[in-house]
Amino acid sequence: AQSVTQLGSHVSVSEGALVLLRCNYSSSVPPYLFWYVQYPNQGLQLLLKYTSAATLVKGINGFEAEFKKSETSFHLTKPSAHMSDAAEYFCAVSDYSTDKLIFGTGTRLQVFP
Amino acid sequence: GAGVSQSPSNKVTEKGKDVELRCDPISGHTALYWYRQSLGQGLEFLIYFQGNSAPDKSGLPSDRFSAERTGGSVSTLTIQRTQQEDSAVYLCASSLAGGPQETQYFGPGTRLLVL
Repeated sequence: AQSVTQLGSHVSVSEGALVLLRCNYSSSVPPYLFWYVQYPNQGLQLLLKYTSAATLVKGINGFEAEFKKSETSFHLTKPSAHMSDAAEYFCAVSDYSTDKLIFGTGTRLQVFP
Repeated sequence: GAGVSQSPSNKVTEKGKDVELRCDPISGHTALYWYRQSLGQGLEFLIYFQGNSAPDKSGLPSDRFSAERTGGSVSTLTIQRTQQEDSAVYLCASSLAGGPQETQYFGPGTRLLVL
């Protein structure tokens, strides 16, 4: 069965600092991996996704993630945090055994001036 | 273009009442999903419609929950005899053709509070 683990329910960084949000997955078949962002009282917005092409995936708002099969990881990074990045971030996995998304528990990012 | 819309945005109901939540997917999207977001359970899948295929109901938590999709477009999620543990945000998503690598586009959600 698929699963996603997001280490750290809360991450705090200073504006301009590196953002690193961790995601590890479990899947018995090649996975498809997604990062979504949720701003307060809004739905989820796709940041980026991995679909077995390039292992380094670039997304919106300067975010990127690298698929590492050997580590079963898909960590999200951004070189320089902005105040507007404060939100909750969800990692999700799917594969050909199911079309639905399996989500991690989310990481709330706080950005301090 | 227009995104996924959901109504109502907020719903307060009394325990034991029935509620209906509506989702309008992006025009032309054949796949439609319902998820539930709650403090205790995080984001969990409820049900998936793809074209004319039988829906995947594997995530529905009890037989009090049902959903239908009429004309391949609008979907309604119905919760009968609501319980306090049904309080959550119900999110609808749609994708162009279904499939595990397709991007799912989410609506703003319906926040349900059962008193």
